[in-house]
Amino acid sequence: AQKVTQAQTEISVVEKEDVTLDCVYETRDTTYYLFWYKQPPSGELVFLIRRNSFDEQNEISGRYSWNFQKSTSSFNFTITASQVVDSAVYFCALINSNSGYALNFGKGTSLLVTP
Amino acid sequence: EPEVTQTPSHQVTQMGQEVILRCVPISNHLYFYWYRQILGQKVEFLVSFYNNEISEKSEIFDDQFSVERPDGSNFTLKIRSTKLEDSAMYFCASGGTGSGGYTFGSGTRLTVV
Repeated sequence: AQKVTQAQTEISVVEKEDVTLDCVYETRDTTYYLFWYKQPPSGELVFLIRRNSFDEQNEISGRYSWNFQKSTSSFNFTITASQVVDSAVYFCALINSNSGYALNFGKGTSLLVTP
Repeated sequence: EPEVTQTPSHQVTQMGQEVILRCVPISNHLYFYWYRQILGQKVEFLVSFYNNEISEKSEIFDDQFSVERPDGSNFTLKIRSTKLEDSAMYFCASGGTGSGGYTFGSGTRLTVV
């Protein structure tokens, strides 16, 4: 069985604060893929990052960074110097090769960045 | 940048009616998916399609649902007899590989009244 848990339902920060969104996953597979998607108020799903289970290097893309730790089954997402445009729902998701490559999403974290 | 296109963006239908949601995936992609998101909830997998057949489906995807790739470019989701609980945003996605980062369409909001 596989499961993705995003324990933070809603987070509210003031612009320019850093914020970390938590994601904890469960899977029995050794080969799996983790993703983050952003869903802005307009409703579309925007791909942010894909990470495979063999690559534990952290990644930074502009103000975004991801911390993948297999030892704690976590794939956390940090936004540095948040902006109002970062307000959205963020979903963590998991694929393993036994699931027909179906994305298993967490429940999402709603981030509100206020001026 | 290539896009996945979904039409219509919003559809209102009466309970019991059949609806067809349409998607044009990215042209060189081989894997196609439908997901749904009930308002305020998480995104749920419905079905995956590869090599002209269903490769995986969830328990949500019962006999009321079907998918088709009628002409090599479109990918459709049909709901035969809609129920109130089918009201949701339906997302189509396509991918070049099974494990890659899919591209999602902008969704069709289905409202069953």
